[in-house]
Amino acid sequence: EVQLEESGGGLVQPGGSLRLSCAASGFTFSNYWMYWVRQTPEKGLVWVSRLNPEGDLTKYADSVNGRFTISRDNAKNTLYLQMTNLRVEDTGLYYCARVPARGRYYFDYWGQGTLVTVSS
Amino acid sequence: DTQMTQSPSSVSASVGDRVTITCRASQDVGTWFAWYQQIPGKAPKLLIKDASSLQSGVPSRFSGSGSGTHFTLSINNLQPEDFATYYCQQADNFPLTFGGGTKVEI
Repeated sequence: EVQLEESGGGLVQPGGSLRLSCAASGFTFSNYWMYWVRQTPEKGLVWVSRLNPEGDLTKYADSVNGRFTISRDNAKNTLYLQMTNLRVEDTGLYYCARVPARGRYYFDYWGQGTLVTVSS
Repeated sequence: DTQMTQSPSSVSASVGDRVTITCRASQDVGTWFAWYQQIPGKAPKLLIKDASSLQSGVPSRFSGSGSGTHFTLSINNLQPEDFATYYCQQADNFPLTFGGGTKVEI
């Protein structure tokens, strides 16, 4: 059974940093493109970042480019999102999600999410 | 960016009803399009991919249609477990974008 489990969320002050993790199981993690998606009541679902299986091709939403870094450790079956210089508007529930194949940009599996709150 | 506009934002329905939700894209996305269901407290679940292809394990009362800029999700014979929020997503270009959601409620 495919499972994705996020962790690392919490309360952080503006300008602070946080690292999210997503532990994957039930599939060959090193074969799949992985994504981060954020959800807030105000803006709904927003794509944040993506990473290829080898970990060397990244893409970011304009709103986080230069502040967030996506990475992975295929030996540990884990996806990461390093978040720096956090802003209030980065608050939300962060999901990691899998796409089924290269070139397919819909999400067939999602984790349960980890909550990030940026507030002073 | 491709804007996704869903309508209605909410709909009241009863068990056994047929419900139709519409999503419009601000530019042509072909059939690179998906629908998701989200139950409160849970992650989104993929229902429809490629505009009209049912994801494995999803009941056949769900169906999707459309291409280009206009898409619909239909739910026939609404069941109690279908009361949820539904989101559309364009899967054609970056940034990937989602609709604002349609809440199906009793």
